[in-house]
Amino acid sequence: AQSVTQLDSQVPVFEEAPVELRCNYSSSVSVYLFWYVQYPNQGLQLLLKYLSGSTLVESINGFEAEFNKSQTSFHLRKPSVHISDTAEYFCAVSDLGAQKLVFGQGTRLTINP
Amino acid sequence: KAGVTQTPRYLIKTRGQQVTLSCSPISGHRSVSWYQQTPGQGLQFLFEYFSETQRNKGNFPGRFSGRQFSNSRSEMNVSTLELGDSALYLCASSLGQIFADTQYFGPGTRLTVL
Repeated sequence: AQSVTQLDSQVPVFEEAPVELRCNYSSSVSVYLFWYVQYPNQGLQLLLKYLSGSTLVESINGFEAEFNKSQTSFHLRKPSVHISDTAEYFCAVSDLGAQKLVFGQGTRLTINP
Repeated sequence: KAGVTQTPRYLIKTRGQQVTLSCSPISGHRSVSWYQQTPGQGLQFLFEYFSETQRNKGNFPGRFSGRQFSNSRSEMNVSTLELGDSALYLCASSLGQIFADTQYFGPGTRLTVL
């Protein structure tokens, strides 16, 4: 069965610094990959997704993620973070066999001024 | 379009009771999925409904059940509540192909079992 590993449970960074949130999944068969963000006291919302085509996908608020099939990774990056990026970030992979989304444990991003 | 709504937002129950949570999807969405979110286990998939049929189910005991109505609204029920059922329960709706479509999440129902 598909599994997702987010290597860091918490990532503290200073404002305007770059950040990378790491995500690895277990299977190299055809997958769809997602990053969701959860702001305090809210549900999850889609940040970006990879379905096919270019391996680099971008969100409207400056995040990007790169699909690396050989390393089964889908790391999330932002060159300069803002206080408003403080949230929990979840990587998710579609498990085509079971037809469901499998989520990682989440990474809590804390931005310090 | 209105987003996904969940009611109630907060619930406090005691062990042994049962509870019903409700989810109204975005208009036009036919798929509704339910997730349990806890600090220790993260987000775990409960089940997914599409056009009133359960298409997929996670690894939860039979005390957890759900249904979907003809207007796509969904309910989940937990019977004989246990302390470990305390969690944030999230529902998400999508157009239909769960593995490719964007999931739109509601704010969740926070269930506390005493």
